[in-house]
Amino acid sequence: DAGVIQSPRHEVTEMGQEVTLRCKPISGHNSLFWYRQTMMRGLELLIYFNNNVPIDDSGMPEDRFSAKMPNASFSTLKIQPSEPRDSAVYFCASRGRAPYEQYFGPGTRLTVT
Amino acid sequence: DAKTTQPTSMDCAEGRAANLPCNHSTISGNEYVYWYRQIHSQGPQYIIHGLKNNETNEMASLIITEDRKSSTLILPHATLRDTAVYYCIVWFNTDKLIFGTGTRLQVFP
Repeated sequence: DAGVIQSPRHEVTEMGQEVTLRCKPISGHNSLFWYRQTMMRGLELLIYFNNNVPIDDSGMPEDRFSAKMPNASFSTLKIQPSEPRDSAVYFCASRGRAPYEQYFGPGTRLTVT
Repeated sequence: DAKTTQPTSMDCAEGRAANLPCNHSTISGNEYVYWYRQIHSQGPQYIIHGLKNNETNEMASLIITEDRKSSTLILPHATLRDTAVYYCIVWFNTDKLIFGTGTRLQVFP
């Protein structure tokens, strides 16, 4: 199994631009999570999906952030417009039904200048 | 908020056992203790979990006190590749894993 796949691995963009991060969960996993990690705030849960349905987006910082999961094998996290304070590593994780271990992707390092 | 307390950092000599403590004094009877680690620049990795019995797998051992208010993760023979941040998480049947600040373990030669 290839594990959780994220793309791109690195993204550098200018303030105001739209950024789209992509995630392919492990096949057969029914839950998908988006996290953000910074030195100041640590690892924060942004949003998660069960069976492609968004369950809790209370961690999404503001309306500039949106996430979709059109099918069981693909999810996107979009930031529009991006700001320098969005610079962070964004992780995607997926989880099966049992034993509830979350498997994390390698992350996308986002730099907004 | 994380329901666990861990030391900020620890050192361990290569080849020796690394014992990482975690306090979870408000743990409920049906909550599990999970351990993850994050090696620099990588995503967190699951290590082990337990409810009340001690657990062992190929990566580590987990010792949970009888009152379940604390636990210890044991890496029996630490290597340089075990240098990472180790997260202790209390969890039960909710979808969210809440990561605290963890313990930064430095294994030295």
